[in-house]
Amino acid sequence: ELKVEQNPLFLSMQEGKNYTIYCNYSTTSDRLYWYRQDPGKSLESLFVLLSNGAVKQEGRLMASLDTKARLSTLHITAAVHDLSATYFCAFHKGGANNLFFGTGTRLTVIP
Amino acid sequence: KAGVTQTPRYLIKTRGQQVTLSCSPISGHRSVSWYQQTPGQGLQFLFEYFSETQRNKGNFPGRFSGRQFSNSRSEMNVSTLELGDSALYLCASSLVPGETQYFGPGTRLLVL
Repeated sequence: ELKVEQNPLFLSMQEGKNYTIYCNYSTTSDRLYWYRQDPGKSLESLFVLLSNGAVKQEGRLMASLDTKARLSTLHITAAVHDLSATYFCAFHKGGANNLFFGTGTRLTVIP
Repeated sequence: KAGVTQTPRYLIKTRGQQVTLSCSPISGHRSVSWYQQTPGQGLQFLFEYFSETQRNKGNFPGRFSGRQFSNSRSEMNVSTLELGDSALYLCASSLVPGETQYFGPGTRLLVL
């Protein structure tokens, strides 16, 4: 069974702190995505990671992929309130277009 | 370039009714996928269409169906609605299958 596990499920952190969200998946994957969802809103694409060792950074967010460990991380540097949202990882396998989503991590950044 | 659009945005139905949701992909995108999001089950894949053909279907009952038109617009239909069908239904489009999917704002369905 294909599984995607994210942890933590909930994360409350102070502004200025660093933290990492982990995403483990159960099978080989063609590509790994990170999405952001604000309350009541849709999903916004943040990163797509295509190969082992891939690292992408945008502002205070950095995503990495280790295909051997079947692990992706989303690192938050010096968090700010605007980063408060739910973050999902998702993997895509084979020729199918369906994404397998993790449970999501609800991040709250406290001023 | 306009993003993925979905109509209606909100819908209230009663048990036993049926509903049709519509999705217009980003211009030039030919692949459309549908997902259901609920607090209990999270984000689950419903089905995927490409060139008017359903390529994949998730683990949902036959009450859930969809189609894609020649202009890549897609509709999904849920018949004989149940309370558990209350959810946010998200449509996503990509250039072709396997490319990054971009999500629409969703249709929030409430079944009473």
